Amino acid sequence: SAVISQKPSRDICQRGTSLTIQCQVDSQVTMMFWYRQQPGQSLTLIATANQGSEATYESGFVIDKFPISRPNLTFSTLTVSNMSPEDSSIYLCSVELGRGLRDEQFFGPGTRLTVL
Amino acid sequence: RKEVEQDPGPFNVPEGATVAFNCTYSNSASQSFFWYRQDCRKEPKLLMSVYSSGNEDGRFTAQLNRASQYISLLIRDSKLSDSATYLCVAYNTDKLIFGTGTRLQVFP
Repeated sequence: SAVISQKPSRDICQRGTSLTIQCQVDSQVTMMFWYRQQPGQSLTLIATANQGSEATYESGFVIDKFPISRPNLTFSTLTVSNMSPEDSSIYLCSVELGRGLRDEQFFGPGTRLTVL
Repeated sequence: RKEVEQDPGPFNVPEGATVAFNCTYSNSASQSFFWYRQDCRKEPKLLMSVYSSGNEDGRFTAQLNRASQYISLLIRDSKLSDSATYLCVAYNTDKLIFGTGTRLQVFP
């Protein structure tokens, strides 16, 4: 597995502001992912971030709202822009450690965001 | 229809019981399947991959039926520490699709 850390672990933010979440991995990985888990819901993929290319966003998520950086193979950031209370959620990054066909993903501890 | 569907539970079982979770997926092109465990306010953690031939890891047994597009997880001799939400996951076109999870509560 991989050791994944996220900063901040939690934050309370005002409507209209932006928050940047950092994800650090202890090994070089090609594929990193950002997910959202809203209260009582399962995980929803926001985007896939590969180093050296633009992030690929899932339906319902756009770059202006969730800009992502991937400057190297061990680090990524997700920004939640112009926040509203509907953005209150847990945001998780994950990495894929390919083992042949199994492609297992491991998750960071998450960032719990509350927007007032 | 959700791509991965699970009974949300909760399943309330006594210690030592055997409990089974079921999951169905709609995309027949899904390539791999997994069970993740998520404790309250924690991140999901990979419990086990699911192989077509079925696989066992201690008290946990996972099975896949591609013809019926059905996945199961069997937990034998339940422990209090097994209390968590169990997420059924399908891997399809480079991304994981999560079910909404089945909550298990094991009581003394």
